[in-house]
Amino acid sequence: QQPVQSPQAVILREGEDAVINCSSSKALYSVHWYRQKHGEAPVFLMILLKGGEQKGHEKISASFNEKKQQSSLYLTASQLSYSGTYFCGTEVSGGYNKLIFGAGTRLAVHP
Amino acid sequence: EAGVTQFPSHSVIEKGQTVTLRCDPISGHDNLYWYRRVMGKEIKFLLHFVKESKQDESGMPNNRFLAERTGGTYSTLKVQPAELEDSGVYFCASSQVFGLTHYGYTFGSGTRLTVV
Repeated sequence: QQPVQSPQAVILREGEDAVINCSSSKALYSVHWYRQKHGEAPVFLMILLKGGEQKGHEKISASFNEKKQQSSLYLTASQLSYSGTYFCGTEVSGGYNKLIFGAGTRLAVHP
Repeated sequence: EAGVTQFPSHSVIEKGQTVTLRCDPISGHDNLYWYRRVMGKEIKFLLHFVKESKQDESGMPNNRFLAERTGGTYSTLKVQPAELEDSGVYFCASSQVFGLTHYGYTFGSGTRLTVV
């Protein structure tokens, strides 16, 4: 039931791009993306509802492929502040339901 | 607006002792969740309150864990007696749902629990 994230870790130089994937074996209603910096609370980035929409947040965007039950997070022209662990959270139906989180992808951006 | 507040931020207790964690959600958020993250692993679901009712407690490890949300406001999570494997960071999150659309969680900073 836990979504699978890949890759487990990414190392980038400032300005480089990265893609983080999140796949589920179950039909999904929504996918959430969060970023957690060391010792801090996870911070909400965006939510994608079923329908294949794409959203953006600064230079971070994401897509949701409903047929494949897969979401991808795109980080373009990475900045040092992008470093942290990225989690996808999946919801199988709307309304009062919990998110199930993946194991996370550690991203390190170096100068 | 004030965020989600958790305390204590850290707790070190001996095996067999009792610890109570507290979470104050964002005012007006009906949904309150408890999650736990063990070092390097996923953020694992524990339970979900809608107002004062337990909507889903399927993630609670065993009956040593007891969660309450009196009056639909703050929540407590008690571990009694604590075991070594209970160590980890306990996160609380709150959210609001409009229709079927679930808006993003706001997480607290977590309580780092160490059982020795």
